[in-house]
Amino acid sequence: KNQVEQSPQSLIILEGKNCTLQCNYTVSPFSNLRWYKQDTGRGPVSLTIMTFSENTKSNGRYTATLDADTKQSSLHITASQLSDSASYICVVSEGTGANNLFFGTGTRLTVIP
Amino acid sequence: EPEVTQTPSHQVTQMGQEVILRCVPISNHLYFYWYRQILGQKVEFLVSFYNNEISEKSEIFDDQFSVERPDGSNFTLKIRSTKLEDSAMYFCASRLGSGYEQYFGPGTRLTVT
Repeated sequence: KNQVEQSPQSLIILEGKNCTLQCNYTVSPFSNLRWYKQDTGRGPVSLTIMTFSENTKSNGRYTATLDADTKQSSLHITASQLSDSASYICVVSEGTGANNLFFGTGTRLTVIP
Repeated sequence: EPEVTQTPSHQVTQMGQEVILRCVPISNHLYFYWYRQILGQKVEFLVSFYNNEISEKSEIFDDQFSVERPDGSNFTLKIRSTKLEDSAMYFCASRLGSGYEQYFGPGTRLTVT
């Protein structure tokens, strides 16, 4: 069964600190893995996308890693800001024609001053 | 920058009533999707639409749901007889083609009373 699991469920950190969010998946065949940021009441916004051959990708203060052998990914946020408070969702795309997306339950990050 | 738009932002309806949720995908996109997110839960795939027909649908997308692209710009989701458990955020998404990024709209919050 295609699944995406994320940990932790929630995280509270001080402004300026770093944090790492985890994602494990069983989606097969695999096409790509995305990390999305979802603000409360809004649609998900893509942060990074990685294919099978990529093992790290950065977007500003966000750095994602992918280990396709162990089917694990992480999102590292550097020097957190209050505006980073949101849900971070790991989404794996199935490698079929429909390219269906499988969503994790997300990690709720709260950055406090 | 082009974006997916959805209307209304919030819809309140009584159980048993029909609702139509509207989406305007990005103009040159060819693939269209509906997802839902029950409060506190993960985003779930409902249906994908390509070339004026449904290409894939999930178990959630039963006979009370239907989709339509009535005029080449709008993409609608109809729920024929709403149930309390249909209360959720409904997200529309579109993408240019196979392998391209999906772009999400801001969502419609549906509340069934």
